[in-house]
Amino acid sequence: SAVISQKPSRDICQRGTSLTIQCQVDSQVTMMFWYRQQPGQSLTLIATANQGSEATYESGFVIDKFPISRPNLTFSTLTVSNMSPEDSSIYLCSVRRDEPALGANVLTFGAGSRLTVL
Amino acid sequence: LAKTTQPISMDSYEGQEVNITCSHNNIATNDYITWYQQFPSQGPRFIIQGYKTKVTNEVASLFIPADRKSSTLSLPRVSLSDTAVYYCLVVPLHGFYSGGYQKVTFGTGTKLQVIP
Repeated sequence: SAVISQKPSRDICQRGTSLTIQCQVDSQVTMMFWYRQQPGQSLTLIATANQGSEATYESGFVIDKFPISRPNLTFSTLTVSNMSPEDSSIYLCSVRRDEPALGANVLTFGAGSRLTVL
Repeated sequence: LAKTTQPISMDSYEGQEVNITCSHNNIATNDYITWYQQFPSQGPRFIIQGYKTKVTNEVASLFIPADRKSSTLSLPRVSLSDTAVYYCLVVPLHGFYSGGYQKVTFGTGTKLQVIP
């Protein structure tokens, strides 16, 4: 299965600044997803990033706040813009495992990027 | 998307079998039942997936009754390292083989605490 590396693993940021999270996959994948996990909560899908097209955002998430790039089939970035303390969360990158024998829509996740906004 | 309901938390002693039940009353014909495990400071990890009856792998067993409105994840002889959050998901299959887009939504999860 794919191995996902995320950078940074954690960071402390000041209010009003922006931070870009990188997601590197060790193999080419079609679909990449960005999730947010607020403290003590479950995961919420932010957007789906496909190479060569604009990201598809879920309700409550907008491109101006969370711009996403997907320059190739192994890499994506998520930027958290103009951060506030409410953006303090773990941000997770995931990819769909294109292995039909394994199952339907099975995802592999990175370890996440823990952001704290002061 | 079918919504899932599972207990918020469970405690178990080491060596016991743990069964976590998930309710998904509105599951659709093309939906699969999928379970993930998440340890602190890690992303979720796929455990098992099934459509109906019973599925078993090296980690767990998944029991799904004929009406598919619920499912039970069974962890045999748990150890302290099984302490984690377990998520039950209903995942659409439609469009999978044609490369269609399918959103995967996580529910609240069950926090399992294994006690020595």
